[in-house]
Amino acid sequence: DADVTQTPRNRITKTGKRIMLECSQTKGHDRMYWYRQDPGLGLRLIYYSFDVKDINKGEISDGYSVSRQAQAKFSLSLESAIPNQTALYFCATSDQGQVYPRQFFGPGTRLTVL
Amino acid sequence: SQQGEEDPQALSIQEGENATMNCSYKTSINNLQWYRQNSGRGLVHLILIRSNEREKHSGRLRVTLDTSKKSSSLLITASRAADTASYFCATDASDYKLSFGAGTTVTVRA
Repeated sequence: DADVTQTPRNRITKTGKRIMLECSQTKGHDRMYWYRQDPGLGLRLIYYSFDVKDINKGEISDGYSVSRQAQAKFSLSLESAIPNQTALYFCATSDQGQVYPRQFFGPGTRLTVL
Repeated sequence: SQQGEEDPQALSIQEGENATMNCSYKTSINNLQWYRQNSGRGLVHLILIRSNEREKHSGRLRVTLDTSKKSSSLLITASRAADTASYFCATDASDYKLSFGAGTTVTVRA
């Protein structure tokens, strides 16, 4: 969905490096999410935020941190990357005004940690 | 832990045939959603069914939900090559977070 953008789209880094993945959205949604996808495991929730002052851990937050700089921006950081963080990372948003919200996904960032 | 599990893991069908995939989940839900992912790309929402609904249609898609069995099925009728993708069920337990299954990979052969 072009309304949710992620940068970079691909990144190769080395073990121990700090890396930031960025997500921006023009949908005006308050809720934003970070997932990682590994082959055969589907998507797992890393962190989510329901507004600028609200940050929550998901099921696999260890080794990750996030920053919600504005309503439209939600960044994911790996403070010290390790090889098992190699994965496809997705940002998503949803509309706080909907009783049954669906999520809108960005195109993903493919991260490789050597 | 993941809430949903899809079955089968992979499915190969001829163009024009129907494709059926199933999703089972563990806890009570507010709604269940199906998403499609084309190879390596972002997920796209297909259809949502509320916990008090039993069946829903959208174009060539038909979704059923059986809350007593904690299961759902997605049927794609008259499949096309463009339907080749991975399909994920996602459950919403009333907390606006989705729990995704591992997905079913569908290949439609010409």
